[in-house]
Amino acid sequence: ETGVTQTPRHLVMGMTNKKSLKCEQHLGHNAMYWYKQSAKKPLELMFVYSLEERVENNSVPSRFSPECPNSSHLFLHLHTLQPEDSALYLCASSQARGVPWGYTFGSGTRLTVV
Amino acid sequence: DAKTTQPPSMDCAEGRAANLPCNHSTISGNEYVYWYRQIHSQGPQYIIHGLKNNETNEMASLIITEDRKSSTLILPHATLRDTAVYYCIVKQAGNMLTFGGGTRLMVKP
Repeated sequence: ETGVTQTPRHLVMGMTNKKSLKCEQHLGHNAMYWYKQSAKKPLELMFVYSLEERVENNSVPSRFSPECPNSSHLFLHLHTLQPEDSALYLCASSQARGVPWGYTFGSGTRLTVV
Repeated sequence: DAKTTQPPSMDCAEGRAANLPCNHSTISGNEYVYWYRQIHSQGPQYIIHGLKNNETNEMASLIITEDRKSSTLILPHATLRDTAVYYCIVKQAGNMLTFGGGTRLMVKP
């Protein structure tokens, strides 16, 4: 365990479903991130929250909706996804943005859209 | 953030040192060099980072050239569990962590 916990580990959903991915950290970090890793592609940064405020949204389609209710929890709400959204979704956390420490990643949620 | 160049793949014999190179010729003075690795289907794992000086921790050593235009990550005694994709990332402290293709290291018995 890295200190960042993601649930579920695996998710299969239909294109008309609504589901949510959950991420939880108790490392005292102030920033949290969602990344997407499609097959044979580099990790893509999707969303960044710092002190519970969204500070970056990298042109992600509106069918992905993040939520950060507090500094320990991060959600990614999914609705009407497409098959090309099948990927490994990774959550990470870090100390405040101004310090050079590393990010801690969760083990990811493997999402399959059918 | 400065661009990095890494070989796409490398092999290493088990028990030998693995030396993974990274070029970052456009690095600026306030940018750090970070190394992460990703074992298959898991999240990336932070290994080490440095600014100017060489760094060592329980996982690896980071050697940064004096002009800071390149660096080498050293795994002193590679094991089969070190088989992974290794990412070299250069960024300022407050910037986001973005990943390139990395080096796929295969440790062989």
